[in-house]
Amino acid sequence: EIVLMQSPGTLSLSPGERATLSCRASQSVSSSNLAWYQQKPGQAPRLLIYGASSRSTGIPDRFSGSGSGTDFTLTISRLEPEDFAVYYCQQYGGSPWTFGQGTKVEIK
Amino acid sequence: EVHLVESGGGLVQPGGSLRLSCTASRFTFSNYAMSWVRQAPGKGLEWVSSISGSGGSTYYADSVKGRFTISRDNSKNTLYLQMTGLRAEDTALYYCAKGWGWFDSWGQGTLLTVSS
Repeated sequence: EIVLMQSPGTLSLSPGERATLSCRASQSVSSSNLAWYQQKPGQAPRLLIYGASSRSTGIPDRFSGSGSGTDFTLTISRLEPEDFAVYYCQQYGGSPWTFGQGTKVEIK
Repeated sequence: EVHLVESGGGLVQPGGSLRLSCTASRFTFSNYAMSWVRQAPGKGLEWVSSISGSGGSTYYADSVKGRFTISRDNSKNTLYLQMTGLRAEDTALYYCAKGWGWFDSWGQGTLLTVSS
């Protein structure tokens, strides 16, 4: 099983700042089969990124994904008030599909 | 916009059974694989099971293999998760999600509580 470790656990930033979230896999994720989701309290997750770097429909371009192999990054270029949430990475290149434990982006 | 509505959750005793349903609308249901993802209270996300658009291929997490069965009725635009041998650790909010691999649309979830 591929274990995904997200860091940091919590990121405290102000609106307008840049957020950089890390997702490190215990083994290489084939074909960059990695996705990122955003979840706000009381809501279902929302797909942001798939294929490591492809934005899902309707996702603002301030969200970008990068990386390959075992190291992946989600970057939010300038935080908007609505971006404060928990972010999860997920791999679907190995069996079983697995999620990271999440990074909470909170208002500083 | 894709619309997914889960139902069937509730309180079940350990060892019991339950069937979850997910009714889909606003897209051609039979063309897409569907999945179940769960979230224990206050915890992260866990993929549970997926099924191809035709229903011919299914895939399960080890934690539920042999106890849960995913199925679909494309004539009713409905996805199912039959759960047997339920355990306390199955307590979670169960989300229905569209997709195989990554999940591009999600329902609001139905809560399963396994407790005596």
